[in-house]
Order: sequence, then structure tokens, then C-alpha cells
Amino acid sequence: NAGVTQTPKFQVLKTGQSMTLQCAQDMNHEYMSWYRQDPGMGLRLIHYSVGAGITDQGEVPNGYNVSRSTTEDFPLRLLSAAPSQTSVYFCASRKGGRELEGNQPQHFGDGTRLSIL
Amino acid sequence: AQSVTQLDSQVPVFEEAPVELRCNYSSSVSVYLFWYVQYPNQGLQLLLKYLSGSTLVESINGFEAEFNKSQTSFHLRKPSVHISDTAEYFCAVSVIDGTSYGKLTFGQGTILTVHP
Repeated sequence: NAGVTQTPKFQVLKTGQSMTLQCAQDMNHEYMSWYRQDPGMGLRLIHYSVGAGITDQGEVPNGYNVSRSTTEDFPLRLLSAAPSQTSVYFCASRKGGRELEGNQPQHFGDGTRLSIL
Repeated sequence: AQSVTQLDSQVPVFEEAPVELRCNYSSSVSVYLFWYVQYPNQGLQLLLKYLSGSTLVESINGFEAEFNKSQTSFHLRKPSVHISDTAEYFCAVSVIDGTSYGKLTFGQGTILTVHP
């Protein structure tokens, strides 16, 4: 059982480039989310999805797009990379969608370390 | 809006000593509470959670946390730490308001370093 798989593990971009961070889970979880982790700031929610075809913004959505065409996949797109987006990005999933209120634990991938030059 | 404050950014301790990592939260509605642990170059793993019932919750590796509603705290404790407990620990809350869909709000993290 692979759990949550993120690719790539490392990436270096130049300012202005675009790219997609991939996230896939094999647990049939309805809820998926993207966070960024910066030193001293914990994890901050970028976007989340409560099921295929449904996405919404989190705390820091600017500069990022998401889509959810399948239950398994939840890619994160950087439209025009900026140095402020240098961070470690984590994807997470959990059971339940709209009908559950978050008493289920989230399962995290190993992260993508992204540097923007 | 809810918030989580972890009062110590770094906690150094010696092996076999007790440790407490402090977490306070702010919310106008009821919450679920979580502690996650992150080992170097890995994702976060659930350590323990408080949903309801007994205010003292325990993990399989000897950690425990107590929910104190009046003080809005959820401190994490272990009576005797091991070198392998060296990691970063995150406190998180999920508000129960019918619209938040279980979104997690994290604290800033506490780096626990256990010295031999």
C-alpha cells in the first residue's frame, strides 16, 4: 500500500517558469490537500478538495492552481514561479468529504523540495 | 478564525529525561486536536488525537497529551525520551462548525532534540 505519493522529490526552477507538482493516493480518500512548510511557520494550507471535481482555496492560494479530475490525483500547478514560493510542499489525504468534520487523521506524502532561483 | 501557538520553537533534553511540548489554541467553536511528528526528510505522521471523551490521550510510543478546555491547551508529554524521539512536532486543530470540512490549522512546530 503506497499511501500518498509525491513527485518530484526535488526541483529547481527559474523565476517565471511554471511546473506541476504531482500527488496521488491509493486509499480512495475523498479529501486531499496541499500545504507549504516554511521554517518557523508550520504548515499552511494552499488548496484542498473534498472530492473529484470540487476544489477550494486555503490560507495561501495565490500563485497556485489545482484541479481534481479523479479521486486518486490532486496536482498543484505553479503558474509563474517566484522566489517566495521556495518551500517544501506536502500533499495529504484523509477519509471523508463534506459529510465528515475532520475527525479522521490526514496521511502525508514525503514532500517536494522546491527552490526558485 | 482559529489559531495554534506552540510556545517553544526548540526544546533540547538529555536522554531519559522527561519532556513537555506546549500547545495552546484559540477557537470560538469546538475543535478536534492533533499532534503530528516529522522525522528528518519525511512527511508528517499522526502521533495522537483528541476527538472526545477522556481528556488524556496516549500514543503507542509513550507520548501522552491532555486536553484542557478551560486553558485551551493540548500539551504533549513523555516521561522518558529516547534519542529516536528527535524530530519536529506539530500541534494542529480542526474546527467543528459544519463548513470547514476538517481543514487543519497547524502551529509553528517544536524541534525536539534528545542528547545522549
